[in-house]
Amino acid sequence: GQQVMQIPQYQHVQEGEDFTTYCNSSTTLSNIQWYKQRPGGHPVFLIQLVKSGEVKKQKRLTFQFGEAKKNSSLHITATQTTDVGTYFCAGRVIYNQGGKLIFGQGTELSVKP
Amino acid sequence: GAVVSQHPSRVICKSGTSVKIECRSLDFQATTMFWYRQFPKQSLMLMATSNEGSKATYEQGVEKDKFLINHASLTLSTLTVTSAHPEDSSFYICSASLPRGMNEQYFGPGTRLTVT
Repeated sequence: GQQVMQIPQYQHVQEGEDFTTYCNSSTTLSNIQWYKQRPGGHPVFLIQLVKSGEVKKQKRLTFQFGEAKKNSSLHITATQTTDVGTYFCAGRVIYNQGGKLIFGQGTELSVKP
Repeated sequence: GAVVSQHPSRVICKSGTSVKIECRSLDFQATTMFWYRQFPKQSLMLMATSNEGSKATYEQGVEKDKFLINHASLTLSTLTVTSAHPEDSSFYICSASLPRGMNEQYFGPGTRLTVT
């Protein structure tokens, strides 16, 4: 079945260092979404990318969607302790009668002050 | 806007009993709601898609008779875990999509179910 693989599973960085998580799909995606889940919390929507090669920025966060719409990345510049949490990508696969959002395994980010 | 609530936040039940979890969209009408299960340190596993006024669509491997889903109104979906067993203990999260398109999902705070 369709899978969305996310790497790395864990990332420990020093505050101020950059961080990147990668998401790869076995199937072409109609769009990809990114979520952040703080420890003990629920996922919160960050952004959605739809177009091939799309790049979007939110302050220190940069999101990219690959040309083939099969991969995506989230890059955080100069991490802060508030960035701690697990980042999930979720790719939307369209079927004849609808679509399904498939979540990656998530990348848990810890930031050492 | 786009707030989703879940009730209860935590529930402990005995093996063999049934537990109902409610998911409500507080400030918008959700034609589609989703139920997920999340194990510790793991990703979200979609269990079923709940459409208002129709039967839920279950993912492969999810028992329909065990996890009963009812989406009776545009703001309420319920998940009933029937004849619960300890292996059903998990974190159950619902989410809802805005009607304008199946775009971002807004998640409820989740329900921690413990079956003893």
